[in-house]
Amino acid sequence: DAGVIQSPRHEVTEMGQEVTLRCKPISGHNSLFWYRQTMMRGLELLIYFNNNVPIDDSGMPEDRFSAKMPNASFSTLKIQPSEPRDSAVYFCASRRDRGSEAFFGQGTRLTVV
Amino acid sequence: AQTVTQSQPEMSVQEAETVTLSCTYDTSESNYYLFWYKQPPSRQMILVIRQEAYKQQNATENRFSVNFQKAAKSFSLKISDSQLGDTAMYFCAFTTVAGGTSYGKLTFGQGTILTVHP
Repeated sequence: DAGVIQSPRHEVTEMGQEVTLRCKPISGHNSLFWYRQTMMRGLELLIYFNNNVPIDDSGMPEDRFSAKMPNASFSTLKIQPSEPRDSAVYFCASRRDRGSEAFFGQGTRLTVV
Repeated sequence: AQTVTQSQPEMSVQEAETVTLSCTYDTSESNYYLFWYKQPPSRQMILVIRQEAYKQQNATENRFSVNFQKAAKSFSLKISDSQLGDTAMYFCAFTTVAGGTSYGKLTFGQGTILTVHP
């Protein structure tokens, strides 16, 4: 298996633009997580899906952020409109069940200028 | 609420020495899992060790071991014979297994930057 695949690896965009981050979890995994990592806030959980259903989105900063998981093999995190404070590394992770290891993608480094 | 606290922002150790990283957590659940992840400069998150809360025996993986104190809600990581390649950010993480308001949520602490000096 290729592991969790995120795209793009790097994204630079202008303030106000829409940004879409993509994630392909490992086949057979039923949980998917989106995290944001910054120096100031560490690794924050944004949203968590189980069997494609959002279970906890309390970490989503505001309405500018939205996430979808239309099927078991794909998820997106969208920021519209983007702001400079959204600059961070965004990670996607998946796991087979609640007690098992979560596997992380390589992350997307987002820079909003 | 489910929280994980790592009180040491940075630690350093000499090569071949032993170092212990601290982690405490807060939960009302009785059944859960705890993890330590390592994030080297490459940014990749790597599982170091995993502990099941209902197992009293502390988990061990080669040079890495944990001291799990369930009553105190403490889960420290001990790295023996430290190597230069252990230099990384270390995260403690927690997930519940069933039920509760945090149902399966995987929460991370703030991280501890460990530097191993030659």
